[in-house]
Amino acid sequence: GAVVSQHPSWVICKSGTSVKIECRSLDFQATTMFWYRQFPKQSLMLMATSNEGSKATYEQGVEKDKFLINHASLTLSTLTVTSAHPEDSSFYICSARDVGLAGGGGSTDTQYFGPGTRLTVL
Amino acid sequence: GNSVTQMEGPVTLSEEAFLTINCTYTATGYPSLFWYVQYPGEGLQLLLKATKADDKGSNKGFEATYRKETTSFHLEKGSVQVSDSAVYFCALYTGGFKTIFGAGTRLFVKA
Repeated sequence: GAVVSQHPSWVICKSGTSVKIECRSLDFQATTMFWYRQFPKQSLMLMATSNEGSKATYEQGVEKDKFLINHASLTLSTLTVTSAHPEDSSFYICSARDVGLAGGGGSTDTQYFGPGTRLTVL
Repeated sequence: GNSVTQMEGPVTLSEEAFLTINCTYTATGYPSLFWYVQYPGEGLQLLLKATKADDKGSNKGFEATYRKETTSFHLEKGSVQVSDSAVYFCALYTGGFKTIFGAGTRLFVKA
């Protein structure tokens, strides 16, 4: 099946620095990618929808100036946590939407998730 | 709006016990339904899915049937193992939009 990778898988940084997380679709083109955040022992919270070649759409309550999203190509979206603080420590997960052709002339529309990136801000 | 409700955990079972994790949903249209599993310290893995009513998804001994009449997608396994200990997320996807996740149910299996 389709694969989505994230890099790095974990990162530790000092407070005040910026961290970039990459999300790649490895064997399909994704016009739409999604970024989620997961707090310990909680469910996934959608942060933003990333559309190739256009601005990301942020969910209510998510600071767009703090979480910069760039979807520069059909296989890559990046999330940059700017001026990170300890409260930004979390597990960040991306997903990519694969819209393709299925057998019989139909189409498929599936989301594939990356393995996640654990961010720790000291 | 679309939503997913899962039974609260944690669920603690002995090895070889029968597992059921309830999941119900509210959605407009005809969503696809999923179960994801997250092992400690790892990302999400797709466990199984069903894309239309009466479909049964199955994988690794787990099963779930898409019940439109009861808007449910309960996860079952006949005999759990210690290695099944993880958090299980029920989710729905209406195509083109965000995946809606349930709160997650933590499963502990004791030897």
